[in-house]
Amino acid sequence: KNEVEQSPQNLTAQEGEFITINCSYSVGISALHWLQQHPGGGIVSLFMLSSGKKKHGRLIATINIQEKHSSLHITASHPRDSAVYICAAGSPGNQFYFGTGTSLTVIP
Amino acid sequence: EPEVTQTPSHQVTQMGQEVILRCVPISNHLYFYWYRQILGQKVEFLVSFYNNEISEKSEIFDDQFSVERPDGSNFTLKIRSTKLEDSAMYFCASREIGVDYGYTFGSGTRLTVV
Repeated sequence: KNEVEQSPQNLTAQEGEFITINCSYSVGISALHWLQQHPGGGIVSLFMLSSGKKKHGRLIATINIQEKHSSLHITASHPRDSAVYICAAGSPGNQFYFGTGTSLTVIP
Repeated sequence: EPEVTQTPSHQVTQMGQEVILRCVPISNHLYFYWYRQILGQKVEFLVSFYNNEISEKSEIFDDQFSVERPDGSNFTLKIRSTKLEDSAMYFCASREIGVDYGYTFGSGTRLTVV
């Protein structure tokens, strides 16, 4: 069973495009985590959010608790944004369930 | 910027041997975690640790695994009697208290069991 589903699995975009990655979850959660994994394997935490919206630079994350859905948006995409973006849902201090990731490639 | 440090970056071990993976979390963080990622698969939660005890563990984290905070700075994952299927990247993470605080991940230890 998949507690967390992401779409799309793979995404190719032209530099400058607006990108949206979606995440749906079935578990009850108190927080949702967006992560970025680079080709070398390292993981960076982008956002942890429990409601509403957060923005950091060109990245925006939103969550709708009632619909159990979150989106990650990238404005003015750049080749350096190419990475795997992972959604994880759960409760801080306890188990997070991870999605399989969205592989993003931004072409110059 | 504060970092979570993991050592070693790569470990090769014989099947059946015990390994200890080491992590130094960020000093003012109170929650610690171990995750693993088998090559080509998704990240999986292993265990969370708070106040010197396990707060939650997944079904993967069976008697083969144990965690310890032997001193004020290190957080270790011990894998006893390693199996081929334990080969994976193991990530340590830590975070502050508060639902809005994200994790800081270490760069991972790639464990190869031969």
